[in-house]
Amino acid sequence: GAVVSQHPSWVICKSGTSVKIECRSLDFQATTMFWYRQFPKQSLMLMATSNEGSKATYEQGVEKDKFLINHASLTLSTLTVTSAHPEDSSFYICSARAGVSNEQFFGPGTRLTVL
Amino acid sequence: QKEVEQNSGPLSVPEGAIASLNCTYSDRGSQSFFWYRQYSGKSPELIMSIYSNGDKEDGRFTAQLNKASQYVSLLIRDSQPSDSATYLCAVNMYRNTDKLIFGTGTRLQVFP
Repeated sequence: GAVVSQHPSWVICKSGTSVKIECRSLDFQATTMFWYRQFPKQSLMLMATSNEGSKATYEQGVEKDKFLINHASLTLSTLTVTSAHPEDSSFYICSARAGVSNEQFFGPGTRLTVL
Repeated sequence: QKEVEQNSGPLSVPEGAIASLNCTYSDRGSQSFFWYRQYSGKSPELIMSIYSNGDKEDGRFTAQLNKASQYVSLLIRDSQPSDSATYLCAVNMYRNTDKLIFGTGTRLQVFP
């Protein structure tokens, strides 16, 4: 149980384009989903917390207009990187929390490369 | 002081030995504590959660929590080369129960 999928697993795009990443909880309903970013040899950085049916809560320093998050259902959240630039190249990972437990289960991640 | 602190390592242990990974946290009101394993290039995988003082065992893994000392540890018995990874300590902060605060991780190397 507690399987989270992400799509795509990797993406290469040109500077200025937008990229959408999907995160799905496959065998449970996720009341809350989280989006993280991880640069090489660094730890996870929380970008935003997403609750189904409401606006995402962004961490300080994360541009909400650049990183659009939609959590339309209890099993799906999407992150759209708008007008991507090379400095947005990173490993983007989502996680999902089921019910009242604080355990977070991570998706396999999406590696974004912006040329 | 960082909210969650770990020694970055690497911690090198021989195969079959006990690996001991440590983590301290700053928020005395924290209630939930987690250990994640992250292989290079992969996403984190939950291996242990602990909520009460004392020890919690799961197979070769034992998590230890001491809230008075604000300290949580992970012991890996009979370490295997496949255990070589970065181990992330995560703590749920009292003032914001919605999110986890992660340490920077300890890199473990188990050599044959």
